[in-house]
Amino acid sequence: DTGVSQNPRHKITKRGQNVTFRCDPISEHNRLYWYRQTLGQGPEFLTYFQNEAQLEKSRLLSDRFSAERPKGSFSTLEIQRTEQGDSAMYLCASSQGVNRNYGYTFGSGTRLTVV
Amino acid sequence: SQQGEEDPQALSIQEGENATMNCSYKTSINNLQWYRQNSGRGLVHQILIRSNEREKHSGRLRVTLDTSKKSSSLLITASRAADTASYFCATRMDSNYQLIWGAGTKLIIKP
Repeated sequence: DTGVSQNPRHKITKRGQNVTFRCDPISEHNRLYWYRQTLGQGPEFLTYFQNEAQLEKSRLLSDRFSAERPKGSFSTLEIQRTEQGDSAMYLCASSQGVNRNYGYTFGSGTRLTVV
Repeated sequence: SQQGEEDPQALSIQEGENATMNCSYKTSINNLQWYRQNSGRGLVHQILIRSNEREKHSGRLRVTLDTSKKSSSLLITASRAADTASYFCATRMDSNYQLIWGAGTKLIIKP
């Protein structure tokens, strides 16, 4: 499978618990992005990595959110002390190239439900 | 905050008809992209148009860009039931790598 892989597909957690999601991008892609999407809305940018460096981070990404891409390959997104407002689809995407004129390849997402 | 606004919010047409969706945005851009999303699934890149291009084709897709009006349109010709999905426009600025998205157009193709 050469697409972007996200795990788990679904996660149900109790409020206050920590959760971690994983994203495996396309191996040749050096750029990796995390987005969050709620029902009926377009995705909202969370953060962006070029190789292992986290170059952009949204103000939406509160102190409870952290993302890593330790070896420039897979990435993890952790949410600490989850709140009901964190319930959403978390999307990972990757892209290639040295310029901006490439589309993203998205994974199928991780749907988080906080109860 | 979302930069793009798609119009209409929902569109229902008969199979075989053409579907046109519009997108407006607020700031100057490097490129504009269209994605489709089936319910509960990830987004799939459809077509990208650069800020110095005015029209682009890919199969049954035609996208236009008017930077003076900060607007784009996506035309799907000879629609099929399998085209049923939500379609999102996303813009990329020169200053960063993130995409800014609209809320999407929900397209339903009736067989």
